[in-house]
Amino acid sequence: NAGVTQTPKFRVLKTGQSMTLLCAQDMNHEYMYWYRQDPGMGLRLIHYSVGEGTTAKGEVPDGYNVSRLKKQNFLLGLESAAPSQTSVYFCASSSTGDSNQPQHFGDGTRLSIL
Amino acid sequence: GDSVTQMEGPVTLSEEAFLTINCTYTATGYPSLFWYVQYPGEGLQLLLKATKADDKGSNKGFEATYRKETTSFHLEKGSVQVSDSAVYFCALGQSGGYQKVTFGTGTKLQVIP
Repeated sequence: NAGVTQTPKFRVLKTGQSMTLLCAQDMNHEYMYWYRQDPGMGLRLIHYSVGEGTTAKGEVPDGYNVSRLKKQNFLLGLESAAPSQTSVYFCASSSTGDSNQPQHFGDGTRLSIL
Repeated sequence: GDSVTQMEGPVTLSEEAFLTINCTYTATGYPSLFWYVQYPGEGLQLLLKATKADDKGSNKGFEATYRKETTSFHLEKGSVQVSDSAVYFCALGQSGGYQKVTFGTGTKLQVIP
């Protein structure tokens, strides 16, 4: 019963390097989200997708790109990592965009940029 | 815009003590309200939700009532256990093309034996 799976769980990068975080869900959900979690700030939405082939900007999109080529996968890319992107990244999914639907979260990726 | 304010932690309680974590919100329209729990090293999990005024959400002994007149959604549990130690997030959900969720900053709860 996997739910939402994120890889990798931990990563250390040097400033300027690039990487891709992978999120996979097996619940056939249409909507997927990428958040970052920083101390004292709760979760902030980076990008989201309302279905295969669609993406849109969230609250803090700068420095990130996303792709949703398959319904079950949502990729988050950092083209040129900066220390300000040190954070814990969470992927989530929901079956619909209705306000009453809970979101299902992965276990997170802890990313450090040196 | 929408916002969620919850009490700062950490909150330290002895086992079997009564728990209250305060949460207030500002929002337009008719949002849904959630409490999520995050155990160490894990993602957020839905604890309970309420979708309209005066609804009470409950799960695992926790409960919260959607109070529109006071714009509050306080989390309560009558008798906490060590296993309840976690970070608790109050959240507000709105629809509008996607589910826009506004999270509080989280309250860390530590329960000691």
